[in-house]
Formats: sequence, C-alpha cells, structure tokens
Amino acid sequence: NAGVTQTPKFQVLKTGQSMTLQCAQDMNHEYMSWYRQDPGMGLRLIHYSVGAGITDQGEVPNGYNVSRSTTEDFPLRLLSAAPSQTSVYFCASSYGRAQGYTFGSGTRLTVV
Amino acid sequence: AQKVTQAQTEISVVEKEDVTLDCVYETRDTTYYLFWYKQPPSGELVFLIRRNSFDEQNEISGRYSWNFQKSTSSFNFTITASQVVDSAVYFCALRTYNTDKLIFGTGTRLQVFP
Repeated sequence: NAGVTQTPKFQVLKTGQSMTLQCAQDMNHEYMSWYRQDPGMGLRLIHYSVGAGITDQGEVPNGYNVSRSTTEDFPLRLLSAAPSQTSVYFCASSYGRAQGYTFGSGTRLTVV
Repeated sequence: AQKVTQAQTEISVVEKEDVTLDCVYETRDTTYYLFWYKQPPSGELVFLIRRNSFDEQNEISGRYSWNFQKSTSSFNFTITASQVVDSAVYFCALRTYNTDKLIFGTGTRLQVFP
C-alpha cells in the first residue's frame, strides 16, 4: 500500500495563479481532510470529506475549493493564489471517525 | 465548539530527563477521541495514540505514557528517560463524534540535548 500520496512536494506560484494539490489514498478510507501548517499555528483544517460526494468546510476554507468524486481522491484547488497561502499542506485520511488519520508527506507551497 | 490548547510552545531537556507535554481540550460532546501525533524534523506526521472519551485508563508504551483526566479535560503525554531521537514537535488533537473534524493544538516543540 502506498498510503496517502500527495503531489507535488514543492511548488512556487505567482500571486493570482491557480493550481490543484493532488491527494490520493489506497486504503479505502472514507474520511479525508486537508490541513495547512504555519509556524506557531499548528495544523488548521481547511476542508474535509466524510465520503465520496460529501465535503464540508473546516477552520480556514477561504480561497480553497475541494471535491470528492471518488473515495480515493481528494484534490485541493487554490483559485487565485495569495502570499498568505504560503504554507505546508497536508492531506490525511482515516477509516472511521474513531481512528487516527494517516498523513501524506506534505506539499510545501510558496506564493510570490 | 472544539478547542485544543497546548500551552507549552517549546521545552528543552537533557537526555534521560523525564518530560511531560500538556494538552487541555474543550468540547460539549460526550463522545470524543483524543490523539497525539509526533512530527520529527523530517516533517512527516506520525500517529502515536488514540483515546476515546469513555476510557480513562492511562496507557504506557515503552518510555511513553499518557494520562487522560476528564475532570480536568486534560490528556497529557510523558516521555520517560528522554532521548535525542524524541526531539520533535508533538501535537495533541481532538475529534468529536458529532462533527467529524479533527482539530489540532498548536504543538509543543521538544528539544532533547545530549
């Protein structure tokens, strides 16, 4: 099993550009989430999904879109990148509500 | 609303010292789950433990132990005889049955010096 796979690992964007961070898991997990990690702020929840076709907002959803067309994939779209979105992004999945999340290796995004 | 507070931003100890990382949580739900994760300097997030709200038994795993006290809404993590390899950022997290959101504290950076 590959676990949770995130691509790309690094990305530099110009302000105003759009892009999609990819996340895929092969563990048949229903729950998936996106987090951003900034110094001193821990991990903040952006969006999450409890199954294919179901998504909801987390703590910091503005400027990001998600969709969940399959159980395996949960892409995160930045609509118009801003320097404030410079961060490390983690995708995670879990089998059930009571289970711990398995995290991907992260995407380091810089917006200039 | 859910909230997790890790008041200790950074802790430094010398190898073989014991160290306790504090975690205080807030929730109105009666069914919830508490987690600890480790983030070593390499950056990945490693799951350490899960505890549900109905199980207040403390847990020990090697040099690691966890103390869950509902009366004080705390889920503290103790490393006994710390080692340099324990140097990492440690996150406490809370997930409630009714919200499906896993919310993290801001983390505690532990530095263990030889």
